Amino acid sequence: DAGVIQSPRHEVTEMGQEVTLRCKPISGHDYLFWYRQTMMRGLELLIYFNNNVPIDDSGMPEDRFSAKMPNASFSTLKIQPSEPRDSAVYFCASRESGGASGYTFGSGTRLTVV
Amino acid sequence: AQSVAQPEDQVNVAEGNPLTVKCTYSVSGNPYLFWYVQYPNRGLQFLLKYITGDNLVKGSYGFEAEFNKSQTSFHLKKPSALVSDSALYFCAVRDWGGNTPLVFGKGTRLSVIA
Repeated sequence: DAGVIQSPRHEVTEMGQEVTLRCKPISGHDYLFWYRQTMMRGLELLIYFNNNVPIDDSGMPEDRFSAKMPNASFSTLKIQPSEPRDSAVYFCASRESGGASGYTFGSGTRLTVV
Repeated sequence: AQSVAQPEDQVNVAEGNPLTVKCTYSVSGNPYLFWYVQYPNRGLQFLLKYITGDNLVKGSYGFEAEFNKSQTSFHLKKPSALVSDSALYFCAVRDWGGNTPLVFGKGTRLSVIA
């Protein structure tokens, strides 16, 4: 398996533009997580899905952020409109069912909003 | 509620010396405990986990961790540090009781000096 695949690896956009980050989880994994990593706040859980259904989006910072998982092999995180304070590395992770399962992380998308 | 504390932001150790990265946790029941490592410009990688059984868990790259229930700790150790071990290390916990997301610590930056 190729692991969790995120695209793009880097994104530079202007303030006010829409940004879409993409994630393909590992086949057979039932859970998908979106995280944001910054120097100031560390690793923050934004939202997670179980069997394509959003379970907890309490970590989504504002209404400008939205996430979807239309099928078991694809998820998107959208920011509209983007702001400079959204600049961070965004990670996607997936795992199997079963509490003992660990996460597999993607390589992340480094977002810079100028 | 679940929580993890990594009391040291930075740990410096000389190459060849033993290293310890500290982690304490809080859960309502029994814990699943994990260590992840993040190298520059990479996603988090699984190192090892404690589920049940032997309190000493061995993982990747010669790392091990000791589960101590009375002290609610899960410190990461390695007998002889390598310069290539320099990275950011995260401890994470989840309660046995449910399928809640892992709670991650803030991370400890390990620098191994030649």
